[in-house]
Amino acid sequence: GIQVEQSPPDLILQEGANSTLRCNFSDSVNNLQWFHQNPWGQLINLFYIPSGTKQNGRLSATTVATERYSLLYISSSQTTDSGVYFCAVRLNSGNTPLVFGKGTRLSVIA
Amino acid sequence: DSGVTQTPKHLITATGQRVTLRCSPRSGDLSVYWYQQSLDQGLQFLIHYYNGEERAKGNILERFSAQQFPDLHSELNLSSLELGDSALYFCASSALGGLNTEAFFGQGTRLTVV
Repeated sequence: GIQVEQSPPDLILQEGANSTLRCNFSDSVNNLQWFHQNPWGQLINLFYIPSGTKQNGRLSATTVATERYSLLYISSSQTTDSGVYFCAVRLNSGNTPLVFGKGTRLSVIA
Repeated sequence: DSGVTQTPKHLITATGQRVTLRCSPRSGDLSVYWYQQSLDQGLQFLIHYYNGEERAKGNILERFSAQQFPDLHSELNLSSLELGDSALYFCASSALGGLNTEAFFGQGTRLTVV
């Protein structure tokens, strides 16, 4: 099946710092989503971005489908950004579900 | 609020018991997916239903079963529970069969088997 690799696995930031999270995937996809899992366990949709670039406030994401990777940028990080960030992809064929990476655990300290 | 409702939020039960988790998808969404998140396995796909029909199965144990009803809500039944079944169970919904559509997740049901 498709492989989804996220890096780094763990990240500690000082409040106000910027960061880039990466998601590599092994096959052609028609759906890529970024999620934030907060400390209470909720999975919050950040971006639906099978290709191109999107921005939402301090967060932005870019997916280069032809090169099979996506990047999530967090600028001016805040303590509320802490949690785990997941990338999930769906294969570009058949009836397949979203496959999740193992996530990047982000800790933002004041 | 994603619009996907899961009940209950927390469940504590004993080994050997059976439980039912419930999911109401977003209004108009035909697809429901179930995922299991345990500490050592990450988010694992269990099963997908589309408009009442099973569409895909993942790593779902034989002790687990699911169905989607005519009103599109779904239930995940877990039986003969073991300690290792303790996990966060998520339901997600999307508009169509999944192709090129965004999936939204419920708040999850945290199951603790003691």
